[in-house]
Amino acid sequence: EDKVVQSPLSLVVHEGDTVTLNCSYEVTNFRSLLWYKQEKKAPTFLFMLTSSGIEKKSGRLSSILDKKELFSILNITATQTGDSAVYLCAVAQGAQKLVFGQGTRLTINP
Amino acid sequence: NAGVTQTPKFRILKIGQSMTLQCTQDMNHNYMYWYRQDPGMGLKLIYYSVGAGITDKGEVPNGYNVSRSTTEDFPLRLELAAPSQTSVYFCASIGGGLHTEAFFGQGTRLTVV
Repeated sequence: EDKVVQSPLSLVVHEGDTVTLNCSYEVTNFRSLLWYKQEKKAPTFLFMLTSSGIEKKSGRLSSILDKKELFSILNITATQTGDSAVYLCAVAQGAQKLVFGQGTRLTINP
Repeated sequence: NAGVTQTPKFRILKIGQSMTLQCTQDMNHNYMYWYRQDPGMGLKLIYYSVGAGITDKGEVPNGYNVSRSTTEDFPLRLELAAPSQTSVYFCASIGGGLHTEAFFGQGTRLTVV
């Protein structure tokens, strides 16, 4: 059975801290891994990763994929209260089936 | 750009009632998906479609049906609503090829009482 597992499920830190969110997967016909941020409504796209070892960066956020060990991490440095959200990891398989993990709820306290 | 449009935004159903959640995309995407998201949880795949006339079950298809008569539309039907179907429903689409970013609708909050 295909699965995507995120950890931790919940994380509370202080503003300015650095956080690392984890996503591991066991799926058939892996195509890509995607990270999304979800606040009140629909998820918004952050990164898509297809190759091992190549870091994607956007401001204070970065992500990397390890296709040998089947995991990805999402790093957020110098966190701000606006980073508080649920972060979702998803894996696109074969014929574009897209499976999500449970999400990590990140809370940044001032 | 309209993107992915879902209707309605909110709905309350009584147990046993039926309804259809509408989803339309104007990006000519082949791949479309329906997810449900329960409170504090991730997205669970209900059904997906890789093109007009083709649909397939996801992780949690029981109690739902879909059809894909056109590339643009992918409605989700609940035949006999149950309290367990209380959730937020998201429709998404993907263009395919290397561009596998999913575009989401704004969601439908459904309550079954």
